[in-house]
Amino acid sequence: KAGVTQTPRYLIKTRGQQVTLSCSPISGHRSVSWYQQTPGQGLQFLFEYFSETQRNKGNFPGRFSGRQFSNSRSEMNVSTLELGDSALYLCASSPTETWAYNEQFFGPGTRLTVL
Amino acid sequence: GQQVMQIPQYQHVQEGEDFTTYCNSSTTLSNIQWYKQRPGGHPVFLIQLVKSGEVKKQKRLTFQFGEAKKNSSLHITATQTTDVGTYFCAGTTSGTYKYIFGTGTRLKVLA
Repeated sequence: KAGVTQTPRYLIKTRGQQVTLSCSPISGHRSVSWYQQTPGQGLQFLFEYFSETQRNKGNFPGRFSGRQFSNSRSEMNVSTLELGDSALYLCASSPTETWAYNEQFFGPGTRLTVL
Repeated sequence: GQQVMQIPQYQHVQEGEDFTTYCNSSTTLSNIQWYKQRPGGHPVFLIQLVKSGEVKKQKRLTFQFGEAKKNSSLHITATQTTDVGTYFCAGTTSGTYKYIFGTGTRLKVLA
């Protein structure tokens, strides 16, 4: 089985712009979660989707949003980019609805740099 | 807010020495998971513990979940250079169902 894929792998944007990141889960996995990883704040949970519904959300401002499509692929959007949004954005997929109680399979991440 | 701290933040060991990282939560956890992230890589799931006092072993790795379900530890016996990376714990807070990652412990193994 192919692993979790994320596109693009690297992205450079300027402040004020918006960005959309994409995540394709492992085939058959219906839960997709997103994380932000920075040296200062570590790994932080953004949100989780299952069957096109956002079921859990972390403590991030409304500029961070996401969605999931019927084929379980997910996108994450960040509007009005700030310098502090520079980070590695990771998505992970899980085969079951109880995603937080099961193994999560992480993708390679998208490295976002905001100038 | 709810936090999961890991100590130490960094650890350098000689190959063959043992290593332990501790994960301490400010609140009770329903479960604890451990992940390993190699430099430049992504987190890879190692194990999950759900019962109070649970101990699990994977070859040279021993994982424990505290009796109060607020702390956990990962012990590596006789480290190897392949053990290099950052080890994260993660868990779901009881009652509030928040999924939180620990701050991580970066391990370097000197050959």
